[in-house]
Amino acid sequence: EIVLTQSPGTLSLSPGERATLSCRASQSVSSSYLAWYQQKPGQAPRLLIYGASNRATGISDRFSGSGSGTDFTLTISRLEPEDFAVYYCQEYGSFFGGGTKVEIK
Amino acid sequence: QVQLQESGPGLVKPSETLSLTCAVSGYSISSGYYWGWIRQPPGKGLEWIGSINHRGSTFYNPSLKSRVTISVDTAKNHFSLKLSSVTAADTAVYYCARRKEDYYYYYMDVWGKGTTVTVSS
Repeated sequence: EIVLTQSPGTLSLSPGERATLSCRASQSVSSSYLAWYQQKPGQAPRLLIYGASNRATGISDRFSGSGSGTDFTLTISRLEPEDFAVYYCQEYGSFFGGGTKVEIK
Repeated sequence: QVQLQESGPGLVKPSETLSLTCAVSGYSISSGYYWGWIRQPPGKGLEWIGSINHRGSTFYNPSLKSRVTISVDTAKNHFSLKLSSVTAADTAVYYCARRKEDYYYYYMDVWGKGTTVTVSS
């Protein structure tokens, strides 16, 4: 079982700032298997990125993913008010990381 | 478009079995993909429970495997979750989702809205 560790647990930033979220796997993961989701309070998660770097349909180009092996990154280039949420990484459409909360500073 | 809808009792007694169903519309389960269950305890993160395909092949989270059964009914176009011997720790929002396999990419692209299950006597 691959364990995904996300950091930081909470990121306090202001609108317009850049957010960098990390997802580290306990062993090497195929980039094809790595996805990122956004979840807002009271809502189901929404797919943002699949295959480590491919934006899902309708996702803003403010969101980008990168990485390989055991280290993956989700970057939000300029935070908009609607981007403050919790973000999760997932491997192989199964196990999730613990999440990173992006909150307004 | 593809839609998923969870249903089932919102309250389950300790030691009993939690049973939920996910109805799929806009897509035939028989056409392929895996279909999964995920839960989220209050104030906590997402936990994958397990997934099933149209042939009934399953894979489960090892931490829950001894208590979980996921089944599929292609005629009714739905799949179901049973979680036995529940305790208060199983109180959560339960989501169903489609696990898509696309050119070696794997991800959950369509989610239900979730249903809250509370374990309490």
